Amino acid sequence: NAGVTQTPKFRILKIGQSMTLQCTQDMNHNYMYWYRQDPGMGLKLIYYSVGAGITDKGEVPNGYNVSRSTTEDFPLRLELAAPSQTSVYFCASKGQEGSPLHFGNGTRLTVT
Amino acid sequence: RKEVEQDPGPFNVPEGATVAFNCTYSNSASQSFFWYRQDCRKEPKLLMSVYSSGNEDGRFTAQLNRASQYISLLIRDSKLSDSATYLCVVNMGPGGSYIPTFGRGTSLIVHP
Repeated sequence: NAGVTQTPKFRILKIGQSMTLQCTQDMNHNYMYWYRQDPGMGLKLIYYSVGAGITDKGEVPNGYNVSRSTTEDFPLRLELAAPSQTSVYFCASKGQEGSPLHFGNGTRLTVT
Repeated sequence: RKEVEQDPGPFNVPEGATVAFNCTYSNSASQSFFWYRQDCRKEPKLLMSVYSSGNEDGRFTAQLNRASQYISLLIRDSKLSDSATYLCVVNMGPGGSYIPTFGRGTSLIVHP
């Protein structure tokens, strides 16, 4: 059972480039989340989804987009990368409302 | 006021010591509470859920105080391997979906 899989693990982008962070889970979880974590800080919610076809903004959505066409996949899109988006990105999922989160290994993104 | 607050520490304790962390939350309608452990900005890993009656897992004890809106984590007989950042997570409501909201974490350093 792979759980939550994120790719890539590391990426360096130039300012203005775009990329997609991939996240897939094989646990048939309805709830999926994207967080970013800056040094010394907690995790901040970017976007989340409560099921296929449904997405909603979190605390820090600006500069990002998501889609949820299937239960398994929840990609995060950066359209015009900015240095402020340098961070570690975590994807997570859970099966039920009161359940704990399962995390992917994270993507370490640097924008220069 | 931040939604979920933790003392960032660091808490510097000798092996064998008992140490306790608190986490306060602002939304009285919150449901579901968890403690996660995070090592060196790797993905957070579930340490334990927190139940109203309190719960224990080996050397770790978690408590929930709804009246005062805080949760606590007690670690007995600290080990060097307990050195990590401990993240408090609260599912903030009400609403159609309770959002897992993180504190910034409390750093624990256990020294010989």
